[in-house]
Amino acid sequence: EAGVTQFPSHSVIEKGQTVTLRCDPISGHDNLYWYRRVMGKEIKFLLHFVKESKQDESGMPNNRFLAERTGGTYSTLKVQPAELEDSGVYFCASSFWGVAGAPREQYFGPGTRLTVT
Amino acid sequence: TQLLEQSPQFLSIQEGENLTVYCNSSSVFSSLQWYRQEPGEGPVLLVTVVTGGEVKKLKRLTFQFGDARKDSSLHITAAQPGDTGLYLCAGIRAGGTSYGKLTFGQGTILTVHP
Repeated sequence: EAGVTQFPSHSVIEKGQTVTLRCDPISGHDNLYWYRRVMGKEIKFLLHFVKESKQDESGMPNNRFLAERTGGTYSTLKVQPAELEDSGVYFCASSFWGVAGAPREQYFGPGTRLTVT
Repeated sequence: TQLLEQSPQFLSIQEGENLTVYCNSSSVFSSLQWYRQEPGEGPVLLVTVVTGGEVKKLKRLTFQFGDARKDSSLHITAAQPGDTGLYLCAGIRAGGTSYGKLTFGQGTILTVHP
């Protein structure tokens, strides 16, 4: 079975440009998470989808970031306009549904390395 | 301020030595997970601990969850070069409806020399 896939693997853009990252979760996983690791910092939560609904977007840095999951399948994360501090590795993870507090293993994609120059 | 303090950040040891990585917090976690990440890949789950005082073993790796569920440790016995990698602790905070939102430590880069 295919794991979580992310596209592109690398993206280099100039400040002010727009970039869209894509995540394809494991088939059947209702939960989809976005995380980000900025250089020198820990991996931080961005947001969580349950199917097509945003369950928690408390980690989104600002309104330059827009995440969507139309149809509850793949998800996109758009950064517009990109700033230098947006550089980092963006990870997507997916899992089966679990009740609140009950851990369900999250399977991570390989990440998208975004560099804003 | 980091919610999960992981230490040490870097560890360089010789094959056969033992090591311990720590993950500490002032907050209570409903579960604590340890991941290993290889270059160019995402984190891969090694173990989940959910009960205070719980100890889990995975071959030469021993994981412990503190009694108060605020800290955890990863102990590797007789380290091998194949253990080299980035180890991450991550937890789900207790209370509320976190639905799997993970809080990560900064990670420990382990290098085991032959």
